[in-house]
Amino acid sequence: DAGVTQSPTHLIKTRGQQVTLRCSPKSGHDTVSWYQQALGQGPQFIFQYYEEEERQRGNFPDRFSGHQFPNYSSELNVNALLLGDSALYLCASSWTGTVAINYGYTFGSGTRLTVV
Amino acid sequence: GNSVTQMEGPVTLSEEAFLTINCTYTATGYPSLFWYVQYPGEGLQLLLKATKADDKGSNKGFEATYRKETTSFHLEKGSVQVSDSAVYFCALSFSNDYKLSFGAGTTVTVRA
Repeated sequence: DAGVTQSPTHLIKTRGQQVTLRCSPKSGHDTVSWYQQALGQGPQFIFQYYEEEERQRGNFPDRFSGHQFPNYSSELNVNALLLGDSALYLCASSWTGTVAINYGYTFGSGTRLTVV
Repeated sequence: GNSVTQMEGPVTLSEEAFLTINCTYTATGYPSLFWYVQYPGEGLQLLLKATKADDKGSNKGFEATYRKETTSFHLEKGSVQVSDSAVYFCALSFSNDYKLSFGAGTTVTVRA
């Protein structure tokens, strides 16, 4: 049973460009959350998607946007990239209605984005 | 706002040594507390959790007790193995919240 799959594994972009990261949730999961993990820091919550809509959002600018498809997979888009956007981006999937304390979150291995 | 503060690393230990990683939190209300572990090249995995004061979470020889009076959730293991080398994250969340709030992580290296 595949867990959470993220692509690509690594990515290098130039400042000002746009990037799209992809996530396929664990089988049976229908909710996807995205986190940003800067070097030496803990993951920071970006947003969560459920039923193809953004259900909760963290403290990130509008340059960060997302999408969820009918098959529950998700994309994270970042526009006008800044050097400070360099980080590991983690996707976590869960089952319908699971709040974080139900510990039903499964994390992927992440996409390492480098902005130069 | 809510936040988690972890003991800074890196921590280097010999096999069979005692491990403790300090974690304290600041929150309005009474969150649930978690320890997640990240092995090299892998995603985060839940290690243990506690949902109310005085609860003890345990798994794989690791333990942590929710101390409301000191707002702490320190992680301990009595005898570490090389396979315990990883980054450990303390985190919190609330019952009506979909997000986890993480600490900065503590890198632990266990030498044979």
